[in-house]
Amino acid sequence: AQTVTQSQPEMSVQEAETVTLSCTYDTSESDYYLFWYKQPPSRQMILVIRQEAYKQQNATENRFSVNFQKAAKSFSLKISDSQLGDAAMYFCAYSRDSNYQLIWGAGTKLIIKP
Amino acid sequence: KAGVTQTPRYLIKTRGQQVTLSCSPISGHRSVSWYQQTPGQGLQFLFEYFSETQRNKGNFPGRFSGRQFSNSRSEMNVSTLELGDSALYLCASSGQELRENYGYTFGSGTRLTVV
Repeated sequence: AQTVTQSQPEMSVQEAETVTLSCTYDTSESDYYLFWYKQPPSRQMILVIRQEAYKQQNATENRFSVNFQKAAKSFSLKISDSQLGDAAMYFCAYSRDSNYQLIWGAGTKLIIKP
Repeated sequence: KAGVTQTPRYLIKTRGQQVTLSCSPISGHRSVSWYQQTPGQGLQFLFEYFSETQRNKGNFPGRFSGRQFSNSRSEMNVSTLELGDSALYLCASSGQELRENYGYTFGSGTRLTVV
């Protein structure tokens, strides 16, 4: 069975600095999707970034980028120039294909220090 | 473009009662999924509907059921509520059949408290 592990329950970073959130996963599939979602206190789960396993190039979205290491089954999220609005729970998620459920990590609480 | 709408936002029920939660997906989206979020178990998949048919189901007891209507709106029902059913229930919709655009858009959830 597929699993997703986030080993950092909480991370803190100074505003304007860079932080990296870790995620590892386990799967026997060769093609799949990986996601980072952000959940602020408003509770809505917001898609931050998406990576398809068949693409070797790391995904980037403005200040957010990933380091996708397929062989190591690692999918870390880097947030550059951290802003107060980035404070939230961050969840790493895996999906086997576009018709399949999301399997979630336990989440990392990101604290931004002003 | 309106987002995913979940109603109600908050709900308090008594053990043994039943509850129905509603989710209206983004216009044009045909896939609706439901997730349960609790501090202890984290996020767990309940079920997914596509064009009124349940395509996938998670590992939850039969007390949890759902359905989808022809306009893609979905409801989930929990019968004989237990204290452990207290959770945030999230609904997500997806309309991207193209893998390049695949992703779910979530609603703000329904916070269910069972007393």
